[in-house]
Amino acid sequence: AQTVTQSQPEMSVQEAETVTLSCTYDTSESDYYLFWYKQPPSRQMILVIRQEAYKQQNATENRFSVNFQKAAKSFSLKISDSQLGDAAMYFCAYSPGGSEKLVFGKGMKLTVNP
Amino acid sequence: SQTIHQWPATLVQPVGSPLSLECTVEGTSNPNLYWYRQAAGRGLQLLFYSVGIGQISSEVPQNLSASRPQDRQFILSSKKLLLSDSGFYLCAWSVLGGISSEQYFGPGTRLTVT
Repeated sequence: AQTVTQSQPEMSVQEAETVTLSCTYDTSESDYYLFWYKQPPSRQMILVIRQEAYKQQNATENRFSVNFQKAAKSFSLKISDSQLGDAAMYFCAYSPGGSEKLVFGKGMKLTVNP
Repeated sequence: SQTIHQWPATLVQPVGSPLSLECTVEGTSNPNLYWYRQAAGRGLQLLFYSVGIGQISSEVPQNLSASRPQDRQFILSSKKLLLSDSGFYLCAWSVLGGISSEQYFGPGTRLTVT
């Protein structure tokens, strides 16, 4: 079965510093997609970044970037220049290519300290 | 652009009462539609998904049901609520037949069963 593991339930970071959120997944598929979602206190899930498994280049969206290690089945999210608005729950998610469904990790709470 | 609506935003219902939560999507056709539940401090549990009108897949046997009477409308129902049905309910959509199941979420409904 495909699983997504976020081993750190909580992390904190100082404003303006960099933080890395870890995620590992288990799959036998070769074609798949990985996502990071953010859930702020409003609780609406927001897509932060997406990575296609066939791409070697790590995805980047402004202050957010990923470190995708396919062989290690690792997909970490780096947030640079952390801002107070980055405080949220972060969920890692996996989707096999062509699937209608996402498999979510249990989430991690990020606190940003001023 | 596409938008997704959910209502009501908040609902308090007594045990044994019926439930109807509605989700509609605008700006796209033939979307995949999803219902998730999130218990306090927990991850997302996929309840139902639909790839077309009248086509519903249930992920977890339970007290709830889903219907899709129109292309962009997804309804979550219950005939008799249980205390355990309390939670935060999220609706999401993705592109039908899309390469990845990149999903976009609505603002959610907070349900409290008393």
